[in-house]
Amino acid sequence: DIQMTQSPSSLSASVGDRVTITCRASQGISNYLAWFQQKPGKAPKSLIYAASSLQSGVPSKFSGSGSGTDFTLTINSLQPEDFATYYCQQYNSYPPTFGGGTKVEIK
Amino acid sequence: EVQLLESGGGLVQPGGSLRLSCAASGFTFSNYAMSWVRQAPGKGLEWVSTISGSGDRTYHADSVKGRFTISRDNSRNTLYLQMNSLRADDTAVYYCAKNDLITIFGVAIDYWGQGTLVTVSS
Repeated sequence: DIQMTQSPSSLSASVGDRVTITCRASQGISNYLAWFQQKPGKAPKSLIYAASSLQSGVPSKFSGSGSGTDFTLTINSLQPEDFATYYCQQYNSYPPTFGGGTKVEIK
Repeated sequence: EVQLLESGGGLVQPGGSLRLSCAASGFTFSNYAMSWVRQAPGKGLEWVSTISGSGDRTYHADSVKGRFTISRDNSRNTLYLQMNSLRADDTAVYYCAKNDLITIFGVAIDYWGQGTLVTVSS
């Protein structure tokens, strides 16, 4: 199975900050990488697919990059509604695997 | 508007069975693969199963293989997860998810249901 490692596991940031989350795959996955946002007690929401393409309706403050084994999610101008846990997922091969999550908290 | 509404969760004893359903609307159901993803209390996301749009191809996680079966009824726009021989570590919120293509390979999740809680306990 492909292991997905996210870092950091948590971070504290202020409103208006720019935040970057990293996701590393244990082997190459081309660009078959997705990012999800989950707020407490809620279902995940899809943000990005194919490493850098925004899902419909997702604001452009979210951006993704990377290919192969190293990927990043960047959130510009952090707002109160962006405080949540973010997960990456590879879907290059079965089983699809998720990273452990990055909790973005208010400083 | 895409809507996915899960049902069928609840409390079940170890060794018991449960069938989850996911009613889909707002898109042509048979044109898309569908998946189940679960989340144990306080834990991360875990993929469970995926089925192709036509229903002829399925994949299951090793942790549920031989116990869980994903299926779909395209005439009813409904996805199912039959769960047998349930164990305590199957306790989780189970999410129905829509994939963005009809095939089961290289498909991302684009929409999620609200989830249904399955608790396995005596």
